[in-house]
Amino acid sequence: DTAVSQTPKYLVTQMGNDKSIKCEQNLGHDTMYWYKQDSKKFLKIMFSYNNKELIINETVPNRFSPKSPDKAHLNLHINSLELGDSAVYFCASSQSGPNEQFFGPGTRLTVL
Amino acid sequence: ELKVEQNPLFLSMQEGKNYTIYCNYSTTSDRLYWYRQDPGKSLESLFVLLSNGAVKQEGRLMASLDTKARLSTLHITAAVHDLSATYFCAVGYGGATNKLIFGTGTLLAVQP
Repeated sequence: DTAVSQTPKYLVTQMGNDKSIKCEQNLGHDTMYWYKQDSKKFLKIMFSYNNKELIINETVPNRFSPKSPDKAHLNLHINSLELGDSAVYFCASSQSGPNEQFFGPGTRLTVL
Repeated sequence: ELKVEQNPLFLSMQEGKNYTIYCNYSTTSDRLYWYRQDPGKSLESLFVLLSNGAVKQEGRLMASLDTKARLSTLHITAAVHDLSATYFCAVGYGGATNKLIFGTGTLLAVQP
Protein backbone atom coordinates (compact mmCIF):
# COMPACT_ATOMS: atom_id res chain seq x y z
CA ASP A 1 0.00 0.00 0.00
CA THR A 2 1.22 3.50 -0.80
CA ALA A 3 1.02 5.54 2.33
CA VAL A 4 2.60 7.41 5.19
CA SER A 5 3.30 5.08 8.11
CA GLN A 6 4.39 5.79 11.66
CA THR A 7 5.69 3.67 14.51
CA PRO A 8 4.75 3.21 17.21
CA LYS A 9 1.03 3.93 17.19
CA TYR A 10 0.92 4.31 20.95
CA LEU A 11 3.70 5.32 23.31
CA VAL A 12 3.32 5.45 27.08
CA THR A 13 6.34 6.51 29.08
CA GLN A 14 7.52 8.19 32.27
CA MET A 15 8.59 11.79 32.65
CA GLY A 16 12.27 12.28 31.99
CA ASN A 17 12.61 9.43 29.51
CA ASP A 18 13.85 9.76 25.93
CA LYS A 19 11.77 8.34 23.07
CA SER A 20 11.68 8.29 19.29
CA ILE A 21 8.92 8.15 16.70
CA LYS A 22 9.59 6.96 13.17
CA CYS A 23 7.89 7.90 9.93
CA GLU A 24 8.19 6.50 6.44
CA GLN A 25 6.46 7.40 3.19
CA ASN A 26 6.44 5.49 -0.08
CA LEU A 27 4.62 8.14 -2.10
CA GLY A 28 7.80 9.42 -3.71
CA HIS A 29 7.42 12.82 -2.06
CA ASP A 30 10.37 15.08 -1.35
CA THR A 31 9.01 16.92 1.71
CA MET A 32 8.04 15.56 5.11
CA TYR A 33 6.54 17.21 8.18
CA TRP A 34 5.90 16.70 11.89
CA TYR A 35 2.74 18.09 13.47
CA LYS A 36 1.53 18.05 17.08
CA GLN A 37 -2.18 17.75 17.89
CA ASP A 38 -3.01 18.64 21.46
CA SER A 39 -5.88 17.51 23.65
CA LYS A 40 -8.11 20.25 22.20
CA LYS A 41 -7.40 18.90 18.69
CA PHE A 42 -5.36 21.96 17.74
CA LEU A 43 -2.81 21.07 15.05
CA LYS A 44 0.52 22.84 14.85
CA ILE A 45 3.46 22.40 12.51
CA MET A 46 6.73 21.55 14.24
CA PHE A 47 9.29 20.72 11.56
CA SER A 48 9.62 20.10 7.87
CA TYR A 49 12.36 18.56 5.75
CA ASN A 50 12.79 18.90 2.02
CA ASN A 51 15.24 16.43 0.47
CA LYS A 52 16.81 15.84 3.88
CA GLU A 53 17.23 19.56 4.54
CA LEU A 54 15.43 21.22 7.47
CA ILE A 55 13.22 23.97 6.05
CA ILE A 56 10.66 24.62 8.79
CA ASN A 57 11.73 24.77 12.41
CA GLU A 58 8.99 26.24 14.55
CA THR A 59 9.31 27.43 18.12
CA VAL A 60 9.66 24.01 19.67
CA PRO A 61 11.73 23.10 22.76
CA ASN A 62 15.17 21.89 21.76
CA ARG A 63 14.37 18.62 23.51
CA PHE A 64 12.71 17.78 20.18
CA SER A 65 15.14 16.83 17.44
CA PRO A 66 14.04 15.68 14.00
CA LYS A 67 16.26 13.68 11.69
CA SER A 68 15.79 12.74 8.08
CA PRO A 69 18.19 10.02 6.90
CA ASP A 70 16.68 10.13 3.40
CA LYS A 71 13.71 11.57 1.52
CA ALA A 72 11.42 8.74 2.55
CA HIS A 73 12.09 8.81 6.28
CA LEU A 74 11.66 11.37 9.03
CA ASN A 75 12.18 10.58 12.69
CA LEU A 76 11.45 12.58 15.82
CA HIS A 77 13.50 12.14 18.96
CA ILE A 78 12.31 13.66 22.21
CA ASN A 79 14.60 14.01 25.23
CA SER A 80 13.60 14.41 28.85
CA LEU A 81 9.90 13.99 28.23
CA GLU A 82 7.49 16.26 30.11
CA LEU A 83 3.81 15.92 30.93
CA GLY A 84 3.01 18.67 28.42
CA ASP A 85 4.48 16.60 25.61
CA SER A 86 1.47 14.29 25.79
CA ALA A 87 -0.28 14.66 22.43
CA VAL A 88 -0.80 12.96 19.10
CA TYR A 89 2.12 13.45 16.73
CA PHE A 90 1.38 13.25 13.02
CA CYS A 91 3.85 12.83 10.24
CA ALA A 92 2.89 14.07 6.77
CA SER A 93 4.45 14.19 3.34
CA SER A 94 3.94 16.07 0.10
CA GLN A 95 5.68 17.05 -3.07
CA SER A 96 7.28 20.46 -2.63
CA GLY A 97 5.13 23.42 -3.60
CA PRO A 98 1.45 24.12 -2.87
CA ASN A 99 0.52 20.46 -2.88
CA GLU A 100 -1.71 18.64 -0.45
CA GLN A 101 -0.08 16.95 2.46
CA PHE A 102 -0.81 13.31 3.21
CA PHE A 103 -0.91 12.40 6.88
CA GLY A 104 0.21 9.28 8.70
CA PRO A 105 -1.96 7.48 11.26
CA GLY A 106 -0.48 9.39 14.20
CA THR A 107 1.42 8.39 17.34
CA ARG A 108 -0.40 8.95 20.62
CA LEU A 109 2.23 9.85 23.22
CA THR A 110 1.25 9.74 26.88
CA VAL A 111 3.75 10.95 29.45
CA LEU A 112 3.03 9.86 33.04
CA GLU B 1 0.72 36.65 13.85
CA LEU B 2 -0.96 34.30 11.41
CA LYS B 3 -4.44 33.33 12.54
CA VAL B 4 -6.93 30.94 11.01
CA GLU B 5 -10.37 30.93 12.55
CA GLN B 6 -13.22 28.57 11.87
CA ASN B 7 -16.82 28.93 12.85
CA PRO B 8 -18.77 27.41 14.21
CA LEU B 9 -16.58 25.31 16.48
CA PHE B 10 -19.38 22.84 16.97
CA LEU B 11 -22.29 22.14 14.65
CA SER B 12 -25.16 19.83 15.38
CA MET B 13 -27.47 19.38 12.44
CA GLN B 14 -30.22 17.09 11.31
CA GLU B 15 -29.95 14.78 8.37
CA GLY B 16 -31.17 16.37 5.20
CA LYS B 17 -30.30 19.93 6.21
CA ASN B 18 -27.79 22.29 4.62
CA TYR B 19 -25.10 24.25 6.42
CA THR B 20 -21.86 26.14 5.86
CA ILE B 21 -18.60 26.15 7.80
CA TYR B 22 -16.52 29.32 7.53
CA CYS B 23 -12.76 29.68 7.57
CA ASN B 24 -11.23 33.16 7.93
CA TYR B 25 -7.53 33.88 7.85
CA SER B 26 -5.51 36.93 8.77
CA THR B 27 -2.72 37.12 6.19
CA THR B 28 -2.86 36.96 2.41
CA SER B 29 -2.56 33.50 0.89
CA ASP B 30 -3.68 31.91 -2.34
CA ARG B 31 -3.87 28.33 -1.12
CA LEU B 32 -6.26 26.67 1.25
CA TYR B 33 -6.91 23.06 2.18
CA TRP B 34 -9.79 21.24 3.82
CA TYR B 35 -9.28 18.07 5.84
CA ARG B 36 -11.57 15.67 7.62
CA GLN B 37 -10.68 13.85 10.83
CA ASP B 38 -12.73 11.01 12.32
CA PRO B 39 -12.34 10.35 16.07
CA GLY B 40 -9.00 8.73 16.84
CA LYS B 41 -8.01 8.73 13.17
CA SER B 42 -5.70 10.57 10.82
CA LEU B 43 -6.48 13.54 8.61
CA GLU B 44 -7.99 12.90 5.22
CA SER B 45 -7.53 15.48 2.48
CA LEU B 46 -10.84 16.72 1.06
CA PHE B 47 -10.10 19.76 -1.09
CA VAL B 48 -7.17 21.79 -2.38
CA LEU B 49 -8.03 25.36 -3.40
CA LEU B 50 -5.22 27.20 -5.15
CA SER B 51 -6.71 30.37 -6.64
CA ASN B 52 -9.19 33.12 -5.97
CA GLY B 53 -12.68 31.97 -6.87
CA ALA B 54 -11.76 28.28 -6.81
CA VAL B 55 -14.73 26.02 -6.19
CA LYS B 56 -14.56 22.26 -5.77
CA GLN B 57 -17.29 19.73 -5.09
CA GLU B 58 -17.24 16.13 -3.96
CA GLY B 59 -20.52 14.46 -3.13
CA ARG B 60 -22.42 16.52 -0.55
CA LEU B 61 -19.46 18.83 0.17
CA MET B 62 -18.49 21.94 -1.75
CA ALA B 63 -15.57 24.21 -0.91
CA SER B 64 -14.80 27.69 -2.19
CA LEU B 65 -12.05 30.25 -1.76
CA ASP B 66 -12.19 34.06 -1.82
CA THR B 67 -8.61 35.24 -1.37
CA LYS B 68 -9.58 38.91 -1.34
CA ALA B 69 -11.91 38.40 1.61
CA ARG B 70 -9.48 35.84 3.10
CA LEU B 71 -12.40 33.47 3.44
CA SER B 72 -13.12 29.89 2.53
CA THR B 73 -16.40 28.07 2.98
CA LEU B 74 -17.27 24.40 3.21
CA HIS B 75 -20.92 23.87 2.30
CA ILE B 76 -22.75 20.74 3.30
CA THR B 77 -25.81 19.78 1.29
CA ALA B 78 -28.46 17.39 2.62
CA ALA B 79 -26.28 16.14 5.46
CA VAL B 80 -26.09 12.44 6.26
CA HIS B 81 -24.82 10.77 9.44
CA ASP B 82 -21.62 9.59 7.68
CA LEU B 83 -20.47 13.20 7.41
CA SER B 84 -20.10 13.43 11.20
CA ALA B 85 -16.42 14.27 11.85
CA THR B 86 -14.14 17.20 12.64
CA TYR B 87 -13.36 19.41 9.66
CA PHE B 88 -10.22 21.51 9.50
CA CYS B 89 -9.21 24.23 7.11
CA ALA B 90 -5.51 24.99 6.69
CA VAL B 91 -3.90 27.97 5.00
CA GLY B 92 -0.61 27.48 3.19
CA TYR B 93 2.31 29.90 3.20
CA GLY B 94 5.74 29.90 1.62
CA GLY B 95 6.99 28.51 -1.67
CA ALA B 96 8.52 25.06 -1.55
CA THR B 97 7.97 24.93 2.20
CA ASN B 98 4.16 25.18 2.07
CA LYS B 99 3.76 25.70 5.79
CA LEU B 100 0.18 24.93 6.83
CA ILE B 101 -1.54 26.90 9.55
CA PHE B 102 -4.58 24.98 10.72
CA GLY B 103 -7.89 26.36 11.86
CA THR B 104 -9.45 25.41 15.16
CA GLY B 105 -11.59 22.70 13.61
CA THR B 106 -15.36 22.32 13.41
CA LEU B 107 -16.92 19.29 15.06
CA LEU B 108 -19.91 18.28 12.95
CA ALA B 109 -22.54 15.98 14.42
CA VAL B 110 -25.30 14.93 12.08
CA GLN B 111 -28.32 13.64 13.93
CA PRO B 112 -30.74 11.15 12.34
